[in-house]
Amino acid sequence: DIQMTQSPSSLSVSLGDRVTIACRASRNINNDLNWYQQKAGRAPKLLIYAASSLQSGVPSRFSGSGSGTDFTLTISSLQPEDLATYFCQQSYYKWTFGQGTKVEVK
Amino acid sequence: QVQLVESGGGLVKPGGSLRLSCATSGFTFSDHYMSWIRQAPGKGLEWVSYISGSSGFTNYADSVKGRFTISRDNAENSLYLQMNSLRAEDTGVYYCATAGASGSRIGPWGQGTLVTVSS
Repeated sequence: DIQMTQSPSSLSVSLGDRVTIACRASRNINNDLNWYQQKAGRAPKLLIYAASSLQSGVPSRFSGSGSGTDFTLTISSLQPEDLATYFCQQSYYKWTFGQGTKVEVK
Repeated sequence: QVQLVESGGGLVKPGGSLRLSCATSGFTFSDHYMSWIRQAPGKGLEWVSYISGSSGFTNYADSVKGRFTISRDNAENSLYLQMNSLRAEDTGVYYCATAGASGSRIGPWGQGTLVTVSS
């Protein structure tokens, strides 16, 4: 099975900061990588699909990059509504999620 | 708009069974892969199972293979998860979600239903 490793597991940042979250696959997954945002007590929401495509309705401050085994989610300027946990997920072979990255205010 | 509403969660003893349902509306159900994903209390997301639009293809996480069965009724726009031989580690919120025509990305999601396995 394919393992997904996110880093860091948590992040303390200031509003307006640029935020970068990394996700590494245990083997090549091409660009079959999605990113989700989950706020406390809520269901997850798709942000980025196919590594770099922005889901409809998602603000343009979110972006994704990478291919193969290394991927990145970037928030260009953190807003209060972005405080949440972020998960990567591979769909290359079955599905696997990363363990999550919690973004908190410093 | 797209709606997914899970039901059937509750408290069950280890070794017991439970059947989850997901009623959907607002999209062409038979065209979409559908999935179940769970989240243990305070933990991350774990994929459980998915099924193709025609029901011709299913897949399961190793942790539930042989115990859980996913199915769908395209006439009723509904998704199901039959869970047998339940264990304490199956406790969590179970989400129903669409996965598009190709099963490559997940969403929208339902609000989830809580399953608690405890004696």
